[in-house]
Amino acid sequence: EAQVTQNPRYLITVTGKKLTVTCSQNMNHEYMSWYRQDPGLGLRQIYYSMNVEVTDKGDVPEGYKVSRKEKRNFPLILESPSPNQTSLYFCASSLAETPLIYEQYFGPGTRLTVT
Amino acid sequence: GQNIDQPTEMTATEGAIVQINCTYQTSGFNGLFWYQQHAGEAPTFLSYNVLDGLEEKGRFSSFLSRSKGYSYLLLKELQMKDSASYLCAVRDQEDSNYQLIWGAGTKLIIKP
Repeated sequence: EAQVTQNPRYLITVTGKKLTVTCSQNMNHEYMSWYRQDPGLGLRQIYYSMNVEVTDKGDVPEGYKVSRKEKRNFPLILESPSPNQTSLYFCASSLAETPLIYEQYFGPGTRLTVT
Repeated sequence: GQNIDQPTEMTATEGAIVQINCTYQTSGFNGLFWYQQHAGEAPTFLSYNVLDGLEEKGRFSSFLSRSKGYSYLLLKELQMKDSASYLCAVRDQEDSNYQLIWGAGTKLIIKP
């Protein structure tokens, strides 16, 4: 089954404790992206990647890191989480022959709470 | 600047028709997406319009007018399962850079 998976689905952590949210897709997509979603706001892009070893900042990259060592995986790293990073996070992937012309497939989401 | 406006919430009756509007202001419009998102779940793709006009897909249709910076999603024969948020996203191009700009979404409540 074609899908994007994220882990963990739910995470409660404390300020400053490093964490990683994993994302994996099995559709051989070149493009992968991380979003955060907060009430009353649209999806905001954190980082994206057009292919292996190619990553770029989105609209709200501060406090986050990513890596793309393999095509299928795109982990999101919070080196020192803060309460303002409490949010619902989505990973997404799509074909990238022409950037963003294709629909994106979203993972199930990770609800992160930082206390 | 770049901006997308959608109504925050709408209510409709089961079996009826509802139109969800989206207006946008971008510098390099290059296509518009509609996604459906049930509460607590991931967004799923509904439609993509790049040319003016109406695209029909079963009970759902999407319309685009580039000159007016306007799109709508039309849902017919509403079912309870259509209760969800509907997200409008515009593909914007500046030079060789592309980005998706997302609206905040319209929460649609279906009543029996």
